Amino acid sequence: DGGITQSPKYLFRKEGQNVTLSCEQNLNHDAMYWYRQDPGQGLRLIYYSQIVNDFQKGDIAEGYSVSREKKESFPLTVTSAQKNPTAFYLCASSIQGSGYEQYFGPGTRLTVT
Amino acid sequence: AQSVTQLGSHVSVSEGALVLLRCNYSSSVPPYLFWYVQYPNQGLQLLLKYTTGATLVKGINGFEAEFKKSETSFHLTKPSAHMSDAAEYFCAVSAVRGNKLVFGAGTILRVKS
Repeated sequence: DGGITQSPKYLFRKEGQNVTLSCEQNLNHDAMYWYRQDPGQGLRLIYYSQIVNDFQKGDIAEGYSVSREKKESFPLTVTSAQKNPTAFYLCASSIQGSGYEQYFGPGTRLTVT
Repeated sequence: AQSVTQLGSHVSVSEGALVLLRCNYSSSVPPYLFWYVQYPNQGLQLLLKYTTGATLVKGINGFEAEFKKSETSFHLTKPSAHMSDAAEYFCAVSAVRGNKLVFGAGTILRVKS
């Protein structure tokens, strides 16, 4: 079955540690995205990538970093510089071009204490 | 810049009653519009989308939405609510050029028995 996988489902870290969230897709999509979801705020775009080895900052990129070395993979690192990292993180992918819907993974809930 | 406003962060209906979730958008170019549904601790699933053509769009699970350019609206409806419809619903808009989506803050639908 084609789809997007995110691991782990739940992640706990101590403040000051960097943590990397995994996102893999087998849909052969060129474009991939990372969103952060907080209650009552909808989804906010962190980073997106339209092609391998290229990515752009979204609306809330500060304290986050990404890489896109393979078409299938788009890992997100939450660095210690992110002031409020506890949130639900969603990865998505889509066909490159206008009007195509995004397909979402199941999400990773990160808790930093 | 594009934006989405979802009127009502919480909507409560009785089982069998009409579901109406409101979405208004702002876009300087003809938009593509989407409705997604999210169940607790899961990713988002596409309900329906409007790109071009017929302004009344039918989606999964009996939902439909009508694009009204003059009102800049894309409200989601379902004639008869089921208990399984209880979830959070997100409206999103994207520009004609590009894949990026801008999401509304979401509306939590409660279905009473």
